[in-house]
Amino acid sequence: SQTIHQWPATLVQPVGSPLSLECTVEGTSNPNLYWYRQAAGRGLQLLFYSVGIGQISSEVPQNLSASRPQDRQFILSSKKLLLSDSGFYLCAWSVQGSRGYTFGSGTRLTVV
Amino acid sequence: AQRVTQPEKLLSVFKGAPVELKCNYSYSGSPELFWYVQYSRQRLQLLLRHISRESIKGFTADLNKGETSFHLKKPFAQEEDSAMYYCALVYGGATNKLIFGTGTLLAVQP
Repeated sequence: SQTIHQWPATLVQPVGSPLSLECTVEGTSNPNLYWYRQAAGRGLQLLFYSVGIGQISSEVPQNLSASRPQDRQFILSSKKLLLSDSGFYLCAWSVQGSRGYTFGSGTRLTVV
Repeated sequence: AQRVTQPEKLLSVFKGAPVELKCNYSYSGSPELFWYVQYSRQRLQLLLRHISRESIKGFTADLNKGETSFHLKKPFAQEEDSAMYYCALVYGGATNKLIFGTGTLLAVQP
């Protein structure tokens, strides 16, 4: 069956520290992968998407970066966190040609 | 640019009452719209898509291109319908990107 794993579930990090959030997908090949962020009081904002290994597109300028080292692995990173990076981060995938998304369980990041 | 608007942050109704969650969109192409739902302590999940013209858990949504709306409706609300509901629009062709509204929290009172 097709599943998506995202970890950690919660994270508290000091300002200026690095970040690495990981997302892996099982049961499908060559998925489209996405990172979304939900800040307090706002909707889900698309940060990055990838249509293949090594292919990353950024939707908004920010302090974060993404990588896709393997077909079913998507990583969100930062070298130095800012307070404004706090939020709820969601990974999602879709099969190319299909419009529906499957979401991970999310990571609650608090930068202090 | 594309946009999805959900004007209500919170909608509170009594059990058995009709529900309508509003969604309006702005998109220059042919729209493809979805409703996603997040129940307490669960993942965000797809509820329904306009292209399927389906009814899920008693919910329906009709695309009205003239009013650029995709409101979610249910004739009789149940307590288990309490959740966060997001309207979303596909854009970007094959990249299959979604733009979401800010969400509406539906609270069904007993």
